[in-house]
Amino acid sequence: DGGITQSPKYLFRKEGQNVTLSCEQNLNHDAMYWYRQDPGQGLRLIYYSQIVNDFQKGDIAEGYSVSREKKESFPLTVTSAQKNPTAFYLCASIGTGGYGTQYFGPGTRLTVL
Amino acid sequence: GIQVEQSPPDLILQEGANSTLRCNFSDSVNNLQWFHQNPWGQLINLFYIPSGTKQNGRLSATTVATERYSLLYISSSQTTDSGVYFCAVRRASGGSNYKLTFGKGTLLTVNP
Repeated sequence: DGGITQSPKYLFRKEGQNVTLSCEQNLNHDAMYWYRQDPGQGLRLIYYSQIVNDFQKGDIAEGYSVSREKKESFPLTVTSAQKNPTAFYLCASIGTGGYGTQYFGPGTRLTVL
Repeated sequence: GIQVEQSPPDLILQEGANSTLRCNFSDSVNNLQWFHQNPWGQLINLFYIPSGTKQNGRLSATTVATERYSLLYISSSQTTDSGVYFCAVRRASGGSNYKLTFGKGTLLTVNP
């Protein structure tokens, strides 16, 4: 089945540790995105990538880093510099030209202990 | 950047009632989508509708691009319609920028 997978579903991290969230898609989409959602809030864009080996900062990129070495994969690293990392993280993708439907993965809930 | 405002922020209905959700945006768009987020957090695309009208079962949507708003209609609501409804847009003048901007959402609760 085509779609977006994210792992893990739940992640617990100690303060001061970096952690990497996985996102993989088999939709052959060019563009991939990472969003953060806090309880009762909307989605805020962290980073997005329109093509392999290229990515742009979104609205809240501080404390996060990404890479796009393969079309299918767009991992997100939450660094120790991110002051409030506890949140729900969603990965998404969209097809050529940025038009059409955006598809979302099931999300990763990160909790910092 | 583009501003996206959704209304109402919260809506409580009895099962069987109809409702209209609104999305206003501050600039011309070339991509507009409506999403439903279920209680488990999964976002499901309902409509890709940068202009015009579409229908899918009990749901329909209309975007009037020239007046910069979109409406999502839910008829004969069911408890499974509960959740958060998001509108997301991409600014037309953004060139090759693929950035989508989300509204804050409408929290819909349908009571039996």
